[in-house]
Amino acid sequence: ETAVFQTPNYHVTQVGNEVSFNCKQTLGHDTMYWYKQDSKKLLKIMFSYNNKQLIVNETVPRRFSPQSSDKAHLNLRIKSVEPEDSAVYLCASSRGRYTEVFFGKGTRLTVV
Amino acid sequence: GEQVEQLPSILRVQEGSSASINCSYEDSASNYFPWYKQEPGENPKLIIDIRSNMERKQIQELIVLLDKKAKRFSLHITDTQPGDSAMYFCAARSNVGDNSKLIWGLGTSLVVNP
Repeated sequence: ETAVFQTPNYHVTQVGNEVSFNCKQTLGHDTMYWYKQDSKKLLKIMFSYNNKQLIVNETVPRRFSPQSSDKAHLNLRIKSVEPEDSAVYLCASSRGRYTEVFFGKGTRLTVV
Repeated sequence: GEQVEQLPSILRVQEGSSASINCSYEDSASNYFPWYKQEPGENPKLIIDIRSNMERKQIQELIVLLDKKAKRFSLHITDTQPGDSAMYFCAARSNVGDNSKLIWGLGTSLVVNP
């Protein structure tokens, strides 16, 4: 039973559009993450957000930006999507450093 | 260093045989090593983990081994079943200042043939 909820499940959009994905966790965790999983199933951390401290993977293009209203929510906005942004975006959360990371079901983005 | 190497990338075994996936890490300060299983269309889920104060851990058919000296850890699935077919990811938690970061392997696609 998943406790990290993502919407939407799927999104198809055109190059240049802006998209926003939502993520909410009901586990009371302090840390949330966004991962990108490409067609080769590679898992790449994009952002982690812990107690309002944002840690950014330096390889993430600037058109990606996380948005957090509180520690239970971490949304992802992509300004002006590009074809290489097509992937599954996985939101996750964890309680602390040495504990399990719980993943959401993912949002599959297709850029046409 | 902050890389985790995972091999093999693809592993095909016969039902009933064992499967082994190997990972190596660079940061000698890493002290938490989880393994995740991702079935097709599903999210990755933790199946077993090991901390650096242990060398071996077993949960049913899953065995993980940790060699801190060699900076290697491995997952062994005994008596594989078709339901074990999935992507498997290893990871190592690395401390960066006041923050910690989970460094992921590139994944292993396990196919168990009936």
